[in-house]
Amino acid sequence: DIVMTQPPLSSPVTLGQPASISCISSQSLVHSDGNTYLSWLHQRPGQPPRLLIYMVSNRFSGVPDRFSGSGAGTHFTLKISRVEPEDVGVYYCMQATQFPWYTFGQGTKLEIK
Amino acid sequence: EVQLVESGGGLIQPGGSLRLSCAVSGFSVSTNYVSWVRQAPGKGLEWVSIIYTSGSTYYADSVKGRLTISRDNSKNTLYLQINSLRAEDTAVYYCVRARITVNDAFDVWGQGTMVTVSS
Repeated sequence: DIVMTQPPLSSPVTLGQPASISCISSQSLVHSDGNTYLSWLHQRPGQPPRLLIYMVSNRFSGVPDRFSGSGAGTHFTLKISRVEPEDVGVYYCMQATQFPWYTFGQGTKLEIK
Repeated sequence: EVQLVESGGGLIQPGGSLRLSCAVSGFSVSTNYVSWVRQAPGKGLEWVSIIYTSGSTYYADSVKGRLTISRDNSKNTLYLQINSLRAEDTAVYYCVRARITVNDAFDVWGQGTMVTVSS
């Protein structure tokens, strides 16, 4: 199985400032078809997760452009250009390269100063 | 509107069985890949099962042999049968849709149904 590793907490960030969250996979997420199937989800307290980013860097419909994804191989990053109050919660990365055996990272809680 | 509504959760004794349902609207369960993802209290997300459009099914190793995913196309509903329930099955169970065609991400989530296994 591919293991996805995330830090449990982000670096503390002030509202309006940028934030980044890292995700590392135990093996390359480059699929045999040449694509990389890494997505990011956000879960606010008491709510189900929602999709933010798919295939490393593609924003899902309705996701604000302050969210961006990057990375390749085994190292990936989610960036928030200016943190807003509604961005609180936990962020998960997920791999689908080993479809259908999807695996999630443990989640990173966005820490607001 | 695309919507997933889970039901069937509750308090169950260890060793018992339970069938969760997921009523789907806005798309067809027969032409989309749909999965179950669970989340133990205060913990992260764990994929547990998927059913393909072909009807093929797959399970996480942690639940294989005890869970059965199925669907009723006429009711547009997804099910998850859980047998031999254990304390570690205690979780919110989410019904999710995989992104159409590519199936690489979960783009629609239900609100979840809570399953508590305790005596």
